[in-house]
Amino acid sequence: EAQVTQNPRYLITVTGKKLTVTCSQNMNHEYMSWYRQDPGLGLRQIYYSMNVEVTDKGDVPEGYKVSRKEKRNFPLILESPSPNQTSLYFCASSPGGDGYTFGSGTRLTVV
Amino acid sequence: GQQLNQSPQSMFIQEGEDVSMNCTSSSIFNTWLWYKQDPGEGPVLLIALYKAGELTSNGRLTAQFGITRKDSFLNISASIPSDVGIYFCAGQYGGGFKTIFGAGTRLFVKA
Repeated sequence: EAQVTQNPRYLITVTGKKLTVTCSQNMNHEYMSWYRQDPGLGLRQIYYSMNVEVTDKGDVPEGYKVSRKEKRNFPLILESPSPNQTSLYFCASSPGGDGYTFGSGTRLTVV
Repeated sequence: GQQLNQSPQSMFIQEGEDVSMNCTSSSIFNTWLWYKQDPGEGPVLLIALYKAGELTSNGRLTAQFGITRKDSFLNISASIPSDVGIYFCAGQYGGGFKTIFGAGTRLFVKA
């Protein structure tokens, strides 16, 4: 089944403890992207990648890192999480950069 | 930065009614996308629009790319209970397909 898989689905962590949210797609898509969703704000793009080793900042990149060493994987790294990064995170992929297929989300709580 | 104004915020309608929602911006976009999000899931692409003035249908859904490239609307005809959810517009700009989402329209359908 064609899909974008994120792990974990739920994560509670403490301020300052580095974490990684993994994302993998099995559709051979060139483009991948990370979004965060907060009530009343819709989805905001954090980072996106156009191909292996090619990434660029979205609207809200501060406090996040990404890497694209393989086509199928696009992990999101929070080096020192803070409570304002508590959010619902979505990974997504696209063959040509337009309509994205989204994962099921990772609900992150930073205490 | 780029911003999208999506309206209305929420709609309460009777089954069988038609629905219209729209997104406007002061910025020009290359692509307009419409997504639907069900509770606990990631957004799912409904319609993608690529040219100013383009009118595209997907079953009971019809969307248009505004002629000024600064707006788009989505119509749903003869609504049914499974249309319940949050509908998001998204505009893309720049060569790398940076994406901005509207805040969403929450649709409630009464059977």
